[in-house]
Amino acid sequence: AQSVTQPDIHITVSEGASLELRCNYSYGATPYLFWYVQSPGQGLQLLLKYFSGDTLVQGIKGFEAEFKRSQSSFNLRKPSVHWSDAAEYFCAVATMDTGRRALTFGSGTRLQVQP
Amino acid sequence: GAGVSQSPSNKVTEKGKDVELRCDPISGHTALYWYRQSLGQGLEFLIYFQGNSAPDKSGLPSDRFSAERTGGSVSTLTIQRTQQEDSAVYLCASRFDRVTEAFFGQGTRLTVV
Repeated sequence: AQSVTQPDIHITVSEGASLELRCNYSYGATPYLFWYVQSPGQGLQLLLKYFSGDTLVQGIKGFEAEFKRSQSSFNLRKPSVHWSDAAEYFCAVATMDTGRRALTFGSGTRLQVQP
Repeated sequence: GAGVSQSPSNKVTEKGKDVELRCDPISGHTALYWYRQSLGQGLEFLIYFQGNSAPDKSGLPSDRFSAERTGGSVSTLTIQRTQQEDSAVYLCASRFDRVTEAFFGQGTRLTVV
């Protein structure tokens, strides 16, 4: 079965600084990959997704992520963080395995932004 | 509306009572998920419905929890004899198929007093 690891539980960055959130997955084939953001008291919103093709994908709110097959990673990046980016970020993996859950989330990374 | 709708948005119940949480997925979405999110925690998978297949109930924490999906659309999560540890936000999500992203509702915040 697939699994997703987000090694950083909590990250603090200064406003204007760059950001990278790590995500590693375990799966035998190329999965479908997603990043979601959850603002306090809200549901999850899709930031970006990777299905195939260009390994660098652009998302909303200035975020991007790069799929690296050799490292089984799909790290989320933003060149300049805004205070409004403070939220919880979840990486997710989807597969075509029949009879399985087909969508697995990491445990999340909480981002705090300092002024 | 076009999104996933959950009701109620907030529910306060007394310990030992039964509660029902409702999820209206996006029309045409074949997959539906329930997750639980305790305060400050990640997403805990509860149950997954995919079309007419038998649901994946492997995440239900006890036999007090059950869920149904009627007509391949609306789903109800039922918690019987609620306990204080059941207090959490219950999130529902739906997907069109296995290769698309999941869309989440705003959740139901359950408080057991």
